[in-house]
Amino acid sequence: GAVVSQHPSWVICKSGTSVKIECRSLDFQATTMFWYRQFPKQSLMLMATSNEGSKATYEQGVEKDKFLINHASLTLSTLTVTSAHPEDSSFYICSAIDDNSNQPQHFGDGTRLSIL
Amino acid sequence: AQTVTQSQPEMSVQEAETVTLSCTYDTSENNYYLFWYKQPPSRQMILVIRQEAYKQQNATENRFSVNFQKAAKSFSLKISDSQLGDTAMYFCAFMKHGYSGGGADGLTFGKGTHLIIQP
Repeated sequence: GAVVSQHPSWVICKSGTSVKIECRSLDFQATTMFWYRQFPKQSLMLMATSNEGSKATYEQGVEKDKFLINHASLTLSTLTVTSAHPEDSSFYICSAIDDNSNQPQHFGDGTRLSIL
Repeated sequence: AQTVTQSQPEMSVQEAETVTLSCTYDTSENNYYLFWYKQPPSRQMILVIRQEAYKQQNATENRFSVNFQKAAKSFSLKISDSQLGDTAMYFCAFMKHGYSGGGADGLTFGKGTHLIIQP
C-alpha cells in the first residue's frame, strides 16, 4: 500500500532554533502534499498545501515566513519551522495524494515538536 | 468554506455493542468526499471509511458502515460488534472533489469523538 514517511518522529530543541521536517512518499509520486498541525486533545488543522514546483498555499492565520515549505520533487516536501518558540510545540502531520490513483490522502506518522 | 461538526466529544460502550458516531457538515459544494479517520494513542491517522457524495449507496467496510444523508448534510459512522481495539479518537473529514495531479484541497476535520470500548 501507499506509504508516506515522515522524519523525524520526535524532536526537542531550544527556543530560537529552526527545525526541518521531511515528508516523503515512498512508492508513489505526489504533486500535492499537505501539512497539518494538531495541538493536544484537539483536531487536525490544515496549515498549508504544498504543490511541487510552485509556492505553497497557506491557510489563513498561518505565517508563511514562520513555516517555510519546499516541495522540490514529486516525492518530497519539507516544512521548516523557523526561529521556533514554545508556542510552536505541537504535533505536525503531513499527507500526500498519489498522482496516479483515486485514493485519498495518505498520512505520515507525524512529528512531535517540543520547543524548550 | 466548509465546516464539520461532531457533537459527541466522548462515547463509551461495552464490547460487542453497536455504536453510532454522528457528523454533520456544511458546504456549498456539490461534489466532495467524506471520510472517517481513526486516531489511536499512537496518533497515526487510519482511514476507516470514505464516501463519495455522488454515490447514493452508503459505504461499508466490514464492521464499519455509514449513513450518508446528503440533503441533511449528515454522515454518521456505525461500528458493529465493537472491539477493544476500536478505542480511539474518530474524526469526520470533508474534502472537495478533484484531487489528483495537483489542485487538490486539504481535509477539513471535525473536533473528534473519543470512543471508549469497555471490556
